[in-house]
Formats: sequence, C-alpha cells, structure tokens
Amino acid sequence: DAGITQSPRHKVTETGTPVTLRCHQTENHRYMYWYRQDPGHGLRLIHYSYGVKDTDKGEVSDGYSVSRSKTEDFLLTLESATSSQTSVYFCAIMPTPTDTQYFGPGTRLTVL
Amino acid sequence: AQRVTQPEKLLSVFKGAPVELKCNYSYSGSPELFWYVQYSRQRLQLLLRHISRESIKGFTADLNKGETSFHLKKPFAQEEDSAMYYCALSGANFNKFYFGSGTKLNVKP
Repeated sequence: DAGITQSPRHKVTETGTPVTLRCHQTENHRYMYWYRQDPGHGLRLIHYSYGVKDTDKGEVSDGYSVSRSKTEDFLLTLESATSSQTSVYFCAIMPTPTDTQYFGPGTRLTVL
Repeated sequence: AQRVTQPEKLLSVFKGAPVELKCNYSYSGSPELFWYVQYSRQRLQLLLRHISRESIKGFTADLNKGETSFHLKKPFAQEEDSAMYYCALSGANFNKFYFGSGTKLNVKP
C-alpha cells in the first residue's frame, strides 16, 4: 500500500461547515495529489504538491485549499462544504516524476 | 485543452473473448499515457504505462499518435479482469494527471 493512509475514511457533514481531510505517507515522497472521484467524471485533480509548502491547483480547485507543512502530510480543506462536494476523495503519492502514482484508500464525504 | 475520453461506460464480454477498452486523448504536446485499474474493494493501481512498453496480466496498449488513442487490449479475457479501468494522461513534467471517466469491464463466465 506504499505507506499511504487517509483520514477520516468516511464523513458526513452539513452544508457550510469546514472539513479537513488528511493524507499521510510514511515514505517521504515529494509529490502528493488530491483527486475527487465522481460517476461519469472519473478522477479529477484538485490540488497537488511537489514539496513542502509547494502546491498548485488542479482542474477542479475551486472551493478547496491545501496545505503541506511537512513532507508526510497533505491536507485538503473544504472551507465551507457544499452538496456538490459530496464525493470520494483520493490521495496519491509519487516518488519521482518517472515513477507511478500510488493511491490511498479514499475518503467518502457526504455533505447534507 | 487536455482531455481523456473513454467512450464506453460499461463493457461486457464472455470469458475467453478478446477485449478492447478505448481511450482517446487530446493534448498539446507529447503526453505520457497510463492505464489504471481498480478492482472491487481495492485501491486504484497502475496497470501499465506507455513508456514501459510492457504487458501486464496479458494486457497491452499501443500509443497511436495519429489517432491520439491508447486503447487497452487483451486477447483472452478472464473473470478476474472484471474491474474499473481508467486511462490517464500526464505531461512531460508529470506534475498533472488527467483521467478519463472510466470503463467498467465485466467478464462473464
């Protein structure tokens, strides 16, 4: 499993509340990614990081922010959750640019 | 704009039949192409990538730059191949990845 975990694994929250999802890796790899998976859309990149404090936006970054203060943790925050953010969120790590991505188990988020 | 298209949401074949999962892409540059697979209750994992030119679990994929396609093929499908398959694209710097909407392969006994 490439030493990658996500927490929480399931969360139900209400519209307007802040939510933070955590991705943790034990391998100290440089590249980390957050995706959301929705039927009919596949996986869409939200944000990614290429090092501590180095992050960039993906194709669906609106409404999301990220932080990476330590190599091992990549946090995804929904400042004010909306029902459209109900999804399964996957974190991925990539050791080097020529390596493959390794995915976490996913977090199922439901916004009521 | 970068885009990966998988036209089939569901593909059902019988065991032993050939299978082809289609993937077309749009990218202004030289992309790297991948196939990822997600088996039931398992994590998404890499199946194969273009630059490796390898065959994994009997699957192969050929990059056709003229048709901008990267179709996944297997001559004889097995029941254990039933899964969700995603085609993905990355630019030369591998910083961003774009995934297709996925094709669910169902191999019937």
